[in-house]
Amino acid sequence: RKEVEQDPGPFNVPEGATVAFNCTYSNSASQSFFWYRQDCRKEPKLLMSVYSSGNEDGRFTAQLNRASQYISLLIRDSKLSDSATYLCAVNEGGGFKTIFGAGTRLFVKA
Amino acid sequence: EAGVAQSPRYKIIEKRQSVAFWCNPISGHATLYWYQQILGQGPKLLIQFQNNGVVDDSQLPKDRFSAERLKGVDSTLKIQPAKLEDSAVYLCASSADSRYNEQFFGPGTRLTVL
Repeated sequence: RKEVEQDPGPFNVPEGATVAFNCTYSNSASQSFFWYRQDCRKEPKLLMSVYSSGNEDGRFTAQLNRASQYISLLIRDSKLSDSATYLCAVNEGGGFKTIFGAGTRLFVKA
Repeated sequence: EAGVAQSPRYKIIEKRQSVAFWCNPISGHATLYWYQQILGQGPKLLIQFQNNGVVDDSQLPKDRFSAERLKGVDSTLKIQPAKLEDSAVYLCASSADSRYNEQFFGPGTRLTVL
């Protein structure tokens, strides 16, 4: 089992739709969790951090389920500009390395 | 606030040649990371520095890759000799707090090995 696994995608959704991505992790000692957005041929950019049960920022909501060892990202009212690859990242804390998932591609169409 | 700077942005070399990448992190960020990202995959950590000490280099192919962070600021990553499978984007990132690890990435160096 991979340390961090994401929905393979791609997700093709119309503008205005709600879409959710899941990310599972194998290390139960993981302490911090992140969602990054990566546009084509660009660097990853931090979208949200999740340290407790969840986080919300405008149209974006991240939730953490420690019992089932997954985090999710919900995007409401999708915009064309949301089209990108969404990377899940998990850190064990204490300065240990952050492990990235392979990413989920999202295409939002008009 | 200036972001993470990397150079060069693109590099094309032949196999068995050597190449070096440079990274300047965000001012004041103690932790610096080098990642390798192959097309279609997530970034893979190669090495993590805390100030000028190595925290994790378990996935660094030490027979050909080396990295240093002198004076705890800039860092260089070197590959010698390069192989075809080293073709990837090399991303540098930095974070202020290694505990929570919110990382900020530079634009990357796209390496093509022919």
